[in-house]
Amino acid sequence: EAQVTQNPRYLITVTGKKLTVTCSQNMNHEYMSWYRQDPGLGLRQIYYSMNVEVTDKGDVPEGYKVSRKEKRNFPLILESPSPNQTSLYFCATYDGNTIYFGEGSWLTVV
Amino acid sequence: SQQGEEDPQALSIQEGENATMNCSYKTSINNLQWYRQNSGRGLVHLILIRSNEREKHSGRLRVTLDTSKKSSSLLITASRAADTASYFCATTGGFKTIFGAGTRLFVKA
Repeated sequence: EAQVTQNPRYLITVTGKKLTVTCSQNMNHEYMSWYRQDPGLGLRQIYYSMNVEVTDKGDVPEGYKVSRKEKRNFPLILESPSPNQTSLYFCATYDGNTIYFGEGSWLTVV
Repeated sequence: SQQGEEDPQALSIQEGENATMNCSYKTSINNLQWYRQNSGRGLVHLILIRSNEREKHSGRLRVTLDTSKKSSSLLITASRAADTASYFCATTGGFKTIFGAGTRLFVKA
């Protein structure tokens, strides 16, 4: 079954404590991306990756890092989380026609 | 910047009625897609229409695209309570996909 798996699904953390949200896909897609979803703003792209070792900034990259060391994994790193990064995060892959989303990670920074 | 913008922001209808949602965008696109999201879950792809297509059907869904007006519409016919969800349009140009803020559809049984 085609899957995009992200973990953790729910997390409450404190300001400044580094955290990583993992993302893994089993579809062998080259393109992966991260989005955040906030009320009234829809989905905004944070970072995307067109292939291994190739990453680029989306619309809202500030405060985030990513890495793409292998095709299936695309972790999102918050080096020093702040309350304005409280959001619902989605990892996704793209096959050129369709975007496949993970189930989302609810992150609260207090 | 947000490109796709849905209209209306929210829509409440009775089961059996049709629901129409509109999407406008600003720049040239390769294709336009519609997604559905149940509350707090991941988005699910519904239908894609390419820039050289004008209309597309899939089951109870009908999508139109007018590239001259930079707009698209999604029609859900004979709506069901299970259609209650948020619906997003997304435009793709190159490798960037941009989502609108979505239309929240509520179908009353």
